[in-house]
This record gives sequence, C-alpha cells and structure tokens, in this order.
Amino acid sequence: NAGVTQTPKFRVLKTGQSMTLLCAQDMNHEYMYWYRQDPGMGLRLIHYSVGEGTTAKGEVPDGYNVSRLKKQNFLLGLESAAPSQTSVYFCASSLDNVSGNTIYFGEGSWLTVV
Amino acid sequence: DQQVKQNSPSLSVQEGRISILNCDYTNSMFDYFLWYKKYPAEGPTFLISISSIKDKNEDGRFTVFLNKSAKHLSLHIVPSQPGDSAVYFCAASVRAAGNKLTFGGGTRVLVKP
Repeated sequence: NAGVTQTPKFRVLKTGQSMTLLCAQDMNHEYMYWYRQDPGMGLRLIHYSVGEGTTAKGEVPDGYNVSRLKKQNFLLGLESAAPSQTSVYFCASSLDNVSGNTIYFGEGSWLTVV
Repeated sequence: DQQVKQNSPSLSVQEGRISILNCDYTNSMFDYFLWYKKYPAEGPTFLISISSIKDKNEDGRFTVFLNKSAKHLSLHIVPSQPGDSAVYFCAASVRAAGNKLTFGGGTRVLVKP
C-alpha cells in the first residue's frame, strides 16, 4: 500500500552540484507530476508526464529536467543546483487527467542548496 | 502574478465553531476547484471539489461555495475539530487542460480545544 514514494526525503547540496529525485508509484497511474512548494506560494507545477516516455513543461520548468522511462517512475533532475531551488518537492500521480480528486501526492522531499 | 490567492495565511478557531477559509482567483477559464489538506511532513490530500456549474458542494462537515461572478470560493468546516488543524490549499484547473492544478498559498488552520 505504498502509493507515491519519493527518495530521498532530505538532501543538502552545494551550489553547482547535480542530483536526481526519484518518484515511484504503484497504482498503475498514467499521469505523474512534480511540484515545488515555497512559503506563501502554494505548490507550483515544474514538469509533468501524461504517459511512459512523455514529458511536458509546467509553470516553473527552468533549471530542471525530467524523464519517464518506466510508467511507474518519474525522475526530476537538477543539473546545476542553485540556492533558488531550495524548496520542498512533491511528486504526484493520477489515474485520469480531468478530476483533481484522483491526484495522489508523495510525502515530499526537502532540498537545501547552500 | 498569482492566479489563485488565499489572503489569510492563518486562522485560529475554537473547537466546535465554524472555520471559513477563503480563496480568490483571477483566471476566468478555471472551471474546476478543489481544496486540499496538508499535515506537516505529509503530502497534500484531496478534501472536496466543486465544478463551475455548481455553486455549492457538501461532504459531511465540509462545504465549498463558489461565487463565479466574484471569482471567489470558500470552504466551511463545521463543527471544527482539533484534527482539522492543518494547512489548507485552494486549487483550480481548466478541465480541458488536464490535471494541471494552480494552487493558492495556503491557510494554516489551528483548532483550539
């Protein structure tokens, strides 16, 4: 009964380092999303995927890359981390693309860039 | 420019009383609205939603009201319980564009016993 799992949960990076956040879902969902949450800003969509092998840009895609090589996994990469990317990152997945109540979120990944 | 705004960052209410959370939006294309609840160190979870063809939706202690002309929605929780203490996010979407939600900044609710 895992749902949406994110790894790692916490990470501290130095400016310029790279890293990958992994999201895995076991619900056979087609749609997957990466959001970031910043104080007072709510959650903002970074990238999303409508199926295996597809990716698309969201509201704040700059500085991030994603890949969806397998249906159950959605990877978020930071090639050269910047302090502005300090945030809490949430992965989500959904069965369909028309009902927000089908979106399931992971527990979040706290990233600090120093 | 935030398309969805929650102007009250926090709200404190006595147990048993009504909690009213407000949300304003600017994009007239939004036709589906949701409220999510978030506890610390957890992801948001869906609470209640409303389509733009309705002006009210009720689910137990939670009721969402939509005023399209004012581009305003509100969430009523009655009676409020200590377990309702959490951050509540308002979100909106254009259904034809898929599940790409635009979130408000959140309102932290504290229900005092």
